[in-house]
Amino acid sequence: EPEVTQTPSHQVTQMGQEVILRCVPISNHLYFYWYRQILGQKVEFLVSFYNNEISEKSEIFDDQFSVERPDGSNFTLKIRSTKLEDSAMYFCASSEGGRTAAGANVLTFGAGSRLTVL
Amino acid sequence: AQSVTQLGSHVSVSEGALVLLRCNYSSSVPPYLFWYVQYPNQGLQLLLKYTTGATLVKGINGFEAEFKKSETSFHLTKPSAHMSDAAEYFCSVSDLGDLIIFGTGTRIHILP
Repeated sequence: EPEVTQTPSHQVTQMGQEVILRCVPISNHLYFYWYRQILGQKVEFLVSFYNNEISEKSEIFDDQFSVERPDGSNFTLKIRSTKLEDSAMYFCASSEGGRTAAGANVLTFGAGSRLTVL
Repeated sequence: AQSVTQLGSHVSVSEGALVLLRCNYSSSVPPYLFWYVQYPNQGLQLLLKYTTGATLVKGINGFEAEFKKSETSFHLTKPSAHMSDAAEYFCSVSDLGDLIIFGTGTRIHILP
């Protein structure tokens, strides 16, 4: 069964450092997402991406965050200058279509990348 | 704005007993509703979804959920709990656009 792949599975970084989290979505999917889950808290939406641009983002997704799809297969999340509160599990997801598709925007999630900021 | 409320962050269920996880939502348009499960150290896996049509939907691992518009609910049930059901369960809602909102999650502990 096709799956979403995320790397690294765990990254430890110093506060202020840049971090790039990588994701390989399912190949025929057109919509891509990042969510995060701070330990013990709920899964929070960060950003959605379609047709090479951000389609929606939350208030969490400030200027320190950016996303891109550099080569048609990878989908990356960059945090420019990490803060302690960025420590979380980051989930990438992809979906075949949006709201109007028969697939009803079902997201397939990766296993997550755990980011620890010291 | 859409939102999801899950009652109870932790639930203990005896093996073989009924599992019931409650979820209430709010949405300004007919919603799409989902339940996801997260096993330890793994990502989110879709259990089941409601889009249109039959209000009782069946998912993987014997789980099912019923969409009740009058109650704005989408409770998840399983007739007989198994040890392998120990995980965290998230109810989520999606209306127009790409945004999916997750509930705070309910962790199920299975008692032998």
